[in-house]
Amino acid sequence: EAQVTQNPRYLITVTGKKLTVTCSQNMNHEYMSWYRQDPGLGLRQIYYSMNVEVTDKGDVPEGYKVSRKEKRNFPLILESPSPNQTSLYFCASSLSGQLSGANVLTFGAGSRLTVL
Amino acid sequence: GNSVTQMEGPVTLSEEAFLTINCTYTATGYPSLFWYVQYPGEGLQLLLKATKADDKGSNKGFEATYRKETTSFHLEKGSVQVSDSAVYFCALSDGVNAGNMLTFGGGTRLMVKP
Repeated sequence: EAQVTQNPRYLITVTGKKLTVTCSQNMNHEYMSWYRQDPGLGLRQIYYSMNVEVTDKGDVPEGYKVSRKEKRNFPLILESPSPNQTSLYFCASSLSGQLSGANVLTFGAGSRLTVL
Repeated sequence: GNSVTQMEGPVTLSEEAFLTINCTYTATGYPSLFWYVQYPGEGLQLLLKATKADDKGSNKGFEATYRKETTSFHLEKGSVQVSDSAVYFCALSDGVNAGNMLTFGGGTRLMVKP
């Protein structure tokens, strides 16, 4: 089944304890992206990757890192989490970085992170 | 920059009622417009889209028409069901800003009661 898989789905951690949220897709997509969802703000893009070894900042990159060493994986790293990073995180992928008639974003199920 | 504004929720309706969720946008050029739906505990799924003015997107009984003159893309359904309870997001893509593909509205929660 074609899908985007995120882990963990739920995590409670404490301020300053490094964590990684993994994202993997099995569709051979070139483009991958991370979003955070906060009430009333919709989804805001954190980082994206147009292809392997190519990453760039989105709208809210502060406090996050990413890497794209292989096509299928795009982990999100919080080196020193803070309470304002408590949020619902979504990974998404698509064939390419340009939306067209056939090219749509496929989202993972989300990872709910709480930083105490 | 681009922006999308949706009516705030929650919207609470009885089954078989008519649904409208308003969405207006600001964008450069000629964006494509989308409605995504998020069911409880799940990721976002594309519900429908329209890529040019006067296009109507439709799926699962939902419709939205791309109105360039009013910069709107309102979501409608003639008769909602309990299973339509979800959060609905309006979004746009300007087709220019590669990488930052979608600008989302804040989302509107729909609750349908039997």
